[in-house]
Amino acid sequence: DAGVIQSPRHEVTEMGQEVTLRCKPISGHNSLFWYRQTMMRGLELLIYFNNNVPIDDSGMPEDRFSAKMPNASFSTLKIQPSEPRDSAVYFCASSEPGTGGRYGYTFGSGTRLTVV
Amino acid sequence: AQSVTQLDSHVSVSEGTPVLLRCNYSSSYSPSLFWYVQHPNKGLQLLLKYTSAATLVKGINGFEAEFKKSETSFHLTKPSAHMSDAAEYFCVVSEETSYDKVIFGPGTSLSVIP
Repeated sequence: DAGVIQSPRHEVTEMGQEVTLRCKPISGHNSLFWYRQTMMRGLELLIYFNNNVPIDDSGMPEDRFSAKMPNASFSTLKIQPSEPRDSAVYFCASSEPGTGGRYGYTFGSGTRLTVV
Repeated sequence: AQSVTQLDSHVSVSEGTPVLLRCNYSSSYSPSLFWYVQHPNKGLQLLLKYTSAATLVKGINGFEAEFKKSETSFHLTKPSAHMSDAAEYFCVVSEETSYDKVIFGPGTSLSVIP
């Protein structure tokens, strides 16, 4: 298996632009997690899905952020409009449903977002 | 409330000497515990996990950790540090209210001096 695949690896955009981050989980992993990592706040869980359904989006910072999982093999995290304070590394992780807390996650390589 | 404390934000060791990264947790039940490693500009990789079986857990790259319930600790050790061990290490505990979610510690940065 190729692991969790994220794209793009790096994104530089101007303030106010829309940004879309993409994630392909491991086949058979029906739980998908979006995390944001910054120096100030560390790793923050933004949202997670089970079987394509959002279960907990309490970590989404504000309405500018939205996430979708239209099928079991694809998810997007969208920021519209983007702001400089959104600059961070965004990670996607996956696990088999109901097991992430017991057996752990597999993380993607992350997308480094810079908003100028 | 559940929490994870990593007692050192930064640890520096010489190559070939032992590594000790400390982690304490708080939980009202017997949690699962994990250590993840993150090398510079990389994603997080699962190093090892404790899931209520043996209290001494062996992971990849010669790392191991011991679950001590009485001390609510899960310290990570390695007998001999290698230059490639330089990375950020995260101690993680499973959440009480969810089979899916975990709580990450703040991380410990490990430097290895040649």
